[in-house]
Amino acid sequence: EIVMTQSPATLSESPGERATLSCRASQGVGTSLAWYQQNPGQAPRLLIYGASTRATGIPARFSGSGSGADFSLTISSLQSEDSAVYYCQQYYIWPPLTFGGGTKVEIK
Amino acid sequence: VQLVESGGGLVQPGKSLRLSCVGSGFTLSDYAMHWVRQVPGKGLEWVSSISWNSASITYAESVKGRFTISRDNGKNSLSLQMNSLRDEDTASYHCVKGNSFGGAGTVQYFPHWGEGTLVTVSS
Repeated sequence: EIVMTQSPATLSESPGERATLSCRASQGVGTSLAWYQQNPGQAPRLLIYGASTRATGIPARFSGSGSGADFSLTISSLQSEDSAVYYCQQYYIWPPLTFGGGTKVEIK
Repeated sequence: VQLVESGGGLVQPGKSLRLSCVGSGFTLSDYAMHWVRQVPGKGLEWVSSISWNSASITYAESVKGRFTISRDNGKNSLSLQMNSLRDEDTASYHCVKGNSFGGAGTVQYFPHWGEGTLVTVSS
């Protein structure tokens, strides 16, 4: 099973600042990685797939990078509505499909 | 695209429950479908997947032998039969549409999610 580890657990930044979230796989997953955003009480929303391709309707301030075992999600200029929990997911080798534990982004 | 789950509720340990999901706004037979669960306040856990034609069915080890996923493409529906329920199965269960039709080992990420149905296993 490929274990996904996200860091930090919580990130607190001011509006307009840049936020970088990390996701590390226990083995290489190529670019078979997706990122999701989940607001409280809502279902997750797909942000990024293929490590760097934005999903339909996702603002350009969200960008993904990385390959192999190390990945990043960057929010270039934080907005208040970006306050959420972010998850990464690998689909390189499955079953099982695996998610990271999540990073909570707080806006100061 | 809309996915609506039903069937959640309070159930005693060892009992059974059947979850259903109806999709609209897309042709369910064109896509693999999945169940992903989330303990309130915790992270996401993949539960089960079924390919477009039901030829590929996979389960998380934690539910293998107890849960059964199935689909009815004619009714645009997905089901999860949950038997021998345990306290640790308590979670919100999301019906999820995959990005393509394939099964195990294919590219599968999750563009569309239902809001979830809460299953509480408790005596």
